[in-house]
Amino acid sequence: EIVLTQSPGTLSLSPGQRATLSCRASQSITNNHLAWYQQKPGQAPRLLIYHASNRAAGIPDRFSGSGSGTDFSLTISGLEPEDFAVYYCQQYGKTFGQGTKLEIK
Amino acid sequence: EVQVVESGGALVQPGGSLRLSCAASGFTSSDVYIDWVRQAPGKGLEWIGSTRNKVESYITEYAASVKGRFTISRDESKNSVYLQMNSLKAEDTAVYYCTVGRGHCPTSGCQNYFDPWGQGTLVTVSS
Repeated sequence: EIVLTQSPGTLSLSPGQRATLSCRASQSITNNHLAWYQQKPGQAPRLLIYHASNRAAGIPDRFSGSGSGTDFSLTISGLEPEDFAVYYCQQYGKTFGQGTKLEIK
Repeated sequence: EVQVVESGGALVQPGGSLRLSCAASGFTSSDVYIDWVRQAPGKGLEWIGSTRNKVESYITEYAASVKGRFTISRDESKNSVYLQMNSLKAEDTAVYYCTVGRGHCPTSGCQNYFDPWGQGTLVTVSS
């Protein structure tokens, strides 16, 4: 079973800055079967990125995903106040990373 | 609009049972995979089970943590999916989400990402 490790655990940044979140897999993920979700307090997760780099419908273009194999990244360019949340990566199927909390500095 | 809405969460005693519902709107639930994911208070996301679509005979799969205690079923007439939870334990306390699985299910297991998600329903197991 693949284990996903997200880093950092917490990222403190200011609005307008660029955020880079990492998701590392214990084994290579085939076919770029990796997704990213955003979760705000008291809300359900929301799909941001699928197939490692495809934005879901309605997701602003400041969100971008990249990577392949075992190393994947989610980049948010120009943080907006509403972007401060917890972010999870997922290998398609059953495995989620432990999450990265993006907080306002 | 494609939407799923959970209901049925409650406070239940250890050893008790509860059935959660997931009502689909904007689509025919029998056409899609439906997964259940839970989140314990202050913790991350845990996949707990899935049901494939009608073409794939509604095959179900469960996480080891709930296998033998939880059962997923469907009611086509109600366009709904259910999660029957028996022999509940304190560690089952969580918000339970249903979500639509997007992808496919080869013989090695389903390869899905999840979209959309319901708003979640809280299950608390405590005496």
